[in-house]
Amino acid sequence: DAKTTQPPSMDCAEGRAANLPCNHSTISGNEYVYWYRQIHSQGPQYIIHGLKNNETNEMASLIITEDRKSSTLILPHATLRDTAVYYCIVSAQGAQKLVFGQGTRLTINP
Amino acid sequence: EAGVAQSPRYKIIEKRQSVAFWCNPISGHATLYWYQQILGQGPKLLIQFQNNGVVDDSQLPKDRFSAERLKGVDSTLKIQPAKLEDSAVYLCASSLDLSNYGYTFGSGTRLTVV
Repeated sequence: DAKTTQPPSMDCAEGRAANLPCNHSTISGNEYVYWYRQIHSQGPQYIIHGLKNNETNEMASLIITEDRKSSTLILPHATLRDTAVYYCIVSAQGAQKLVFGQGTRLTINP
Repeated sequence: EAGVAQSPRYKIIEKRQSVAFWCNPISGHATLYWYQQILGQGPKLLIQFQNNGVVDDSQLPKDRFSAERLKGVDSTLKIQPAKLEDSAVYLCASSLDLSNYGYTFGSGTRLTVV
């Protein structure tokens, strides 16, 4: 079973920052937080991952709380193409198994 | 690089019929996964291969589902006989190494069982 809790849906205006929360209160010390997204009619796509430090790449930023029990994925300037289901996944590095929950359906509005 | 190729893109069959899906992973990716995604849910892992060996098939309904990965490259997933509840998107993914961020998914095969 998935070890994360995410809101089922969120809305965000185009051009604004989209902040997607994820709770993972039972995360273990060797487990990373991964984010994937799934655009309609496509397979999931990797976005970003982190252990305890905040991470940033060309797609998004990941903010992990100090106690590691929750995290936030930030899309700094959301576009209509960011409309998708976003999955927060907790897994040990090398576990080679991604267990997907229900995710958050993010809708970017013009 | 070329992505993960899957075919067919869509398939409609009657219950009790059989069906097969094909996956061609990214060249050099040793690990291959089949996921089932029922409408409105997240993908569920069915089976994981490392080269041509099965690593995890604990979630595969073995009475009707089978999968193989000959020569450690292409893979096929078969359902025989199909049930109505098998209607779903079947996703194939591959990864180069042990990292969970290295997954590349195909676009999937949408199966409708009527």
